[in-house]
Amino acid sequence: DAGITQSPRHKVTETGTPVTLRCHQTENHRYMYWYRQDPGHGLRLIHYSYGVKDTDKGEVSDGYSVSRSKTEDFLLTLESATSSQTSVYFCAISEPGDIQYFGAGTRLSVL
Amino acid sequence: GENVEQHPSTLSVQEGDSAVIKCTYSDSASNYFPWYKQELGKRPQLIIDIRSNVGEKKDQRIAVTLNKTAKHFSLHITETQPEDSAVYFCAAVLSSSYKLIFGSGTRLLVRP
Repeated sequence: DAGITQSPRHKVTETGTPVTLRCHQTENHRYMYWYRQDPGHGLRLIHYSYGVKDTDKGEVSDGYSVSRSKTEDFLLTLESATSSQTSVYFCAISEPGDIQYFGAGTRLSVL
Repeated sequence: GENVEQHPSTLSVQEGDSAVIKCTYSDSASNYFPWYKQELGKRPQLIIDIRSNVGEKKDQRIAVTLNKTAKHFSLHITETQPEDSAVYFCAAVLSSSYKLIFGSGTRLLVRP
């Protein structure tokens, strides 16, 4: 498996609290992505980054923000978590136009 | 924007039979089409991919075909085995943004 570490792997939080998920890579890949996976919807892109401090929105970006201050780290923040953000979150990395490798996922429950 | 439709949503086959999963995409600028397999509780893992300059690609029991004119591509698994049971996702990538747009997935069950 590609060198991708997601933390935490599991989190339970309450509605209205801020949550930050971390993705760390050791592959020096330029692109990093955050997806959420929900039953019946497959994998949906939240945000992605094409370089340090360069990010863009995906198809379901509302309620989420991201930051990338270093090549190896891509953070996903839920400023005020809602129950609709209960999901499994996957980070992925790639070189431009090449295979995307996925992290092990973070299971988030918002109560 | 790009949209990828995947069919069927569930597929049950007898061990040894073939399985076919089909996807259509909307943006003719898409040029890379990977297929991922996801076992229960695991991460999606690439099993095969095809680029727009190729019509077919095979890797042992797995093959993918691409019809650019019709904007559809298919995954073929021959001689299915119980360990092929998983959820399979197709995807399309736009060359301009490298965003990966996934289909909604096909749950394949191979009955022993």
